[in-house]
Amino acid sequence: DAMVIQNPRYQVTQFGKPVTLSCSQTLNHNVMYWYQQKSSQAPKLLFHYYDKDFNNEADTPDNFQSRRPNTSFCFLDIRSPGLGDAAMYLCATSRVGLGMNTEAFFGQGTRLTVV
Amino acid sequence: RKEVEQDPGPFNVPEGATVAFNCTYSNSASQSFFWYRQDCRKEPKLLMSVYSSGNEDGRFTAQLNRASQYISLLIRDSKLSDSATYLCVVNRGSYIPTFGRGTSLIVHP
Repeated sequence: DAMVIQNPRYQVTQFGKPVTLSCSQTLNHNVMYWYQQKSSQAPKLLFHYYDKDFNNEADTPDNFQSRRPNTSFCFLDIRSPGLGDAAMYLCATSRVGLGMNTEAFFGQGTRLTVV
Repeated sequence: RKEVEQDPGPFNVPEGATVAFNCTYSNSASQSFFWYRQDCRKEPKLLMSVYSSGNEDGRFTAQLNRASQYISLLIRDSKLSDSATYLCVVNRGSYIPTFGRGTSLIVHP
């Protein structure tokens, strides 16, 4: 059973047209992450939520925003996609707490194409 | 210096071979280490955690050298199905996974 679910698996959007990617989890993990991965590159962390606390990476463009309305769901909003934003977007979760630090579990990713 | 560095390869080996990958990390305070496997156009999946004492899971052995800030993965008796990219992951702070760019392994008949 899928534990981290991303929708859609494939997304085609027009240059400059806002797009939202979604992620849900059934693991009840308190931390959710969004990564961007381009071909032959390492996944690059965009931001993460620790519970409700949003943590942006210093080099994440303002074009990328995120929302986490509850524990289970997290959204990635790209306000004005450019051609350079075409990539695989990976959502991940982990459980973090006192004496506990599990590995990250990934969704299947959303492959974004910008035309 | 990148936080996590790996030789991208590719490593091209015959079935049955033993192959080793290395990874170095820059933050001496890092506490958690992992190897993930990623197949082409798929998500990363945990292969194994890496413990200070070293650990083994079947044909896979992971080792950590904190003094040298170095992690290794050894694959014995390579199978065709082992062909993939192997990602070294080091947690930044106490929990934020930071990835190397991965090492590509191709196992051929």
